Amino acid sequence: GAVVSQHPSRVICKSGTSVKIECRSLDFQATTMFWYRQFPKQSLMLMATSNEGSKATYEQGVEKDKFLINHASLTLSTLTVTSAHPEDSSFYICSARWQYNSPLHFGNGTRLTVT
Amino acid sequence: GENVEQHPSTLSVQEGDSAVIKCTYSDSASNYFPWYKQELGKRPQLIIDIRSNVGEKKDQRIAVTLNKTAKHFSLHITETQPEDSAVYFCAASSRPASKLTFGTGTRLQVTL
Repeated sequence: GAVVSQHPSRVICKSGTSVKIECRSLDFQATTMFWYRQFPKQSLMLMATSNEGSKATYEQGVEKDKFLINHASLTLSTLTVTSAHPEDSSFYICSARWQYNSPLHFGNGTRLTVT
Repeated sequence: GENVEQHPSTLSVQEGDSAVIKCTYSDSASNYFPWYKQELGKRPQLIIDIRSNVGEKKDQRIAVTLNKTAKHFSLHITETQPEDSAVYFCAASSRPASKLTFGTGTRLQVTL
């Protein structure tokens, strides 16, 4: 149980375009999902906390107008990287808990390359 | 906010030896401390976790210890095997169901 699915696994886009990443909890309802970013050989940095039915909470230094998060249902959160630039190239990973105080489970991640 | 420091950044051990990775945290309100293993290009996988009401937890070759007073916790892997080679991350949560703050990671290399 507690499977988190993320799509796509890889995406290459041109500078200036937008990319949408989906994160789904397959066998549980997730009122809260978390979006992390990981640059090569670095740790996971939290970008934002996605709350179902309300606005996401962004970490300091993360542009909310650039990284749009929508959590329209209890099983789906989306991250849209708008007007992507090469410096946005990274590994984006979503995560969710299946219940209060339970372990965090991660999606497979999306490797974004902006050319 | 929470700050988690992790050492060492790289660790090389011979197969069969033990490996120890240490983390410290800053927020005394933190009460949940998981450890994740991440292989190259893949998702982090939870390998063990401990809550603040427990001082030690063991699962086969893996154990975690927690010292709340000193605000540090450690991962112990015994009888290491080549498949243990990966990057290990510690993390801390400042309150139940809250976001996790990750350490900087330890690249473990188990050599034959």
